[in-house]
Amino acid sequence: DVKVTQSSRYLVKRTGEKVFLECVQDMDHENMFWYRQDPGLGLRLIYFSYDVKMKEKGDIPEGYSVSREKKERFSLILESASTNQTSMYLCASSGWTGGAYEQYFGPGTRLTVT
Amino acid sequence: QKEVEQNSGPLSVPEGAIASLNCTYSDRVSQSFFWYRQYSGKSPELIMSIYSNGDKEDGRFTAQLNKASQYVSLLIRDSQPSDSATYLCAVRAGNNRKLIWGLGTSLAVNP
Repeated sequence: DVKVTQSSRYLVKRTGEKVFLECVQDMDHENMFWYRQDPGLGLRLIYFSYDVKMKEKGDIPEGYSVSREKKERFSLILESASTNQTSMYLCASSGWTGGAYEQYFGPGTRLTVT
Repeated sequence: QKEVEQNSGPLSVPEGAIASLNCTYSDRVSQSFFWYRQYSGKSPELIMSIYSNGDKEDGRFTAQLNKASQYVSLLIRDSQPSDSATYLCAVRAGNNRKLIWGLGTSLAVNP
């Protein structure tokens, strides 16, 4: 079974703090993704990575950066947290299954910025 | 703008009935299609993927794909209260590794 883990289930940070969210997958997947999910807005892609040290912006990259130094690990960084970044953050990984690139999600991190 | 559309619901069905969830997409070059289930407060869980026209069955779930009409559906047979969740449809176009997501359909199965 694919296993995607995230460093925290719940996190509370103050405005202006630097926040690190970490994601680890154990399936040797080449692709990893960071999403945020808000009521009524669905899943929105922040960044994704298709290889070590490679990254591409998603739909809402502003205020975020990412790091992928090892294949299994993908980090999301909020340089200076703001209240509008309060959200559920979801990490996913995908690899070729012979018919499709299936994405598997971690449990999510609910971040509250006060 | 590539789009994936789902009826937000809520779709309400009695226990034991068939629940039918639909999804339409705008990009004709879409290649792969996915259904996810998401319980409240939890992360999405992959139910099934489909990439060829026709039906694909897995237990009580059947995905149906019609590329000519640009829709994909999910049927849940013998619906159970534990099937009550939001169902997300996602589409991958061409060689793109990203998915385009619908907003989800909320399903309530009533005992």
